[in-house]
Parts: sequence; C-alpha cells; structure tokens
Amino acid sequence: TQLLEQSPQFLSIQEGENLTVYCNSSSVFSSLQWYRQEPGEGPVLLVTVVTGGEVKKLKRLTFQFGDARKDSSLHITAAQPGDTGLYLCAGTDLYGQNFVFGPGTRLSVLP
Amino acid sequence: NAGVMQNPRHLVRRRGQEARLRCSPMKGHSHVYWYRQLPEEGLKFMVYLQKENIIDESGMPKERFSAEFPKEGPSILRIQQVVRGDSAAYFCASSPGVRGIGSEQYFGPGTRLTVT
Repeated sequence: TQLLEQSPQFLSIQEGENLTVYCNSSSVFSSLQWYRQEPGEGPVLLVTVVTGGEVKKLKRLTFQFGDARKDSSLHITAAQPGDTGLYLCAGTDLYGQNFVFGPGTRLSVLP
Repeated sequence: NAGVMQNPRHLVRRRGQEARLRCSPMKGHSHVYWYRQLPEEGLKFMVYLQKENIIDESGMPKERFSAEFPKEGPSILRIQQVVRGDSAAYFCASSPGVRGIGSEQYFGPGTRLTVT
C-alpha cells in the first residue's frame, strides 16, 4: 500500500511570511495533486504535477514535484489569512490503480 | 457548469436509523468516489463506482454500508443501523474518466452526519 506523509502537521504563521509544506513517500507516483480544504467545505483541487522535477506556479503558490516523483512541496509566498485551510496532497500510483491522500497540513495565517 | 452536488448538507440520525447520502457528479463525469473524514483528520477512501458498477470498495466497512450509482439518478451511500462512530463528514468526488493519470477528482461540499 502506498502511503503519503505530510509535514508539518500544523503550521501557524503571521500574515506576510513565507512557508513550505511537504508531501513525501517511499513510493513512486505517476502524478500528485494538491488540494485545499476550508472548514465546512470539500477539498478544492489546486494543481496536478506529472513530470519529475516539474514546477508549477499559481499566483503566490509554487508547487514542485521531486525528480524521483516520490515527493512534492508547496511554497506560499507572503501568506494571507485567506490561505488558511487544510492542504492535502494526493497521489496516483504507477499503474493508475490506487489514489491515496496524505493526512494534510493545517495552516493558520494570522492577520 | 454545476459542480458536484451533495445532499443533504447536514443529516441527523438517531442510533439504529438509516442514513442515505446523495451525490450528483459533475456533468459529463461517470466516475464517483466516496470518502469519509473525521474531525481534524484527513480523507479516507471508501468506494469507487462507475455507472451501475462498483469498481473498488476496499475502504468500505463490510457491514451496514453500501453504495450504488444507478444508470439514472445520483449515487447513493447508504448506512444502515447507524452508530455514534458513523458521525463524520462524507464527501463525494467525481472524475471524467478512469481513476488515474489525467483524471482528476472534483469534490462536493460534503454531508455532515451526526448520530445522536
């Protein structure tokens, strides 16, 4: 069974700070996705990364897929209170048979 | 283009009653997934369905839980004889194609089940 670990589990920062959260596995994934979930709502897809070493930017968010496709990172620049939420990574295995979620990183950005 | 719709958003049941949760996928999507989320935890996969077929139910409890996705109408997650431990948020997601590369899942707003 492929597992995804996320770190840190909790993160509380001040508005304007930068941060990076991580998604790691000992297994290779064909693709990884990042979602953000706000309290009381369903997860919203932010990005999909497919190619090893790929970097994607979404405004102040930068996503990177590791060269070996076993890990990914999400970097937020100048965090804002609206970035508060649960950040989940999810991966598809090489055969496309399994899709698993990590436990998430809970981010709180204080004004 | 409407997103994934779930109803009800909130459901209260007494122990022993049945709970029925509905999910209408995005237009054009024929694959549906159900997840359970306990407070302060991540998403746990329950079941993956295509129209009229259960593809993967490896995350579904063996008893009291069932799911269907009929040819017509929404997908239904059914929990019989609910217990307090069933209290959770249940999310449905849909995708346009087979689970895997390029078939991203889009989530509904969830149904929050409370068992009293």
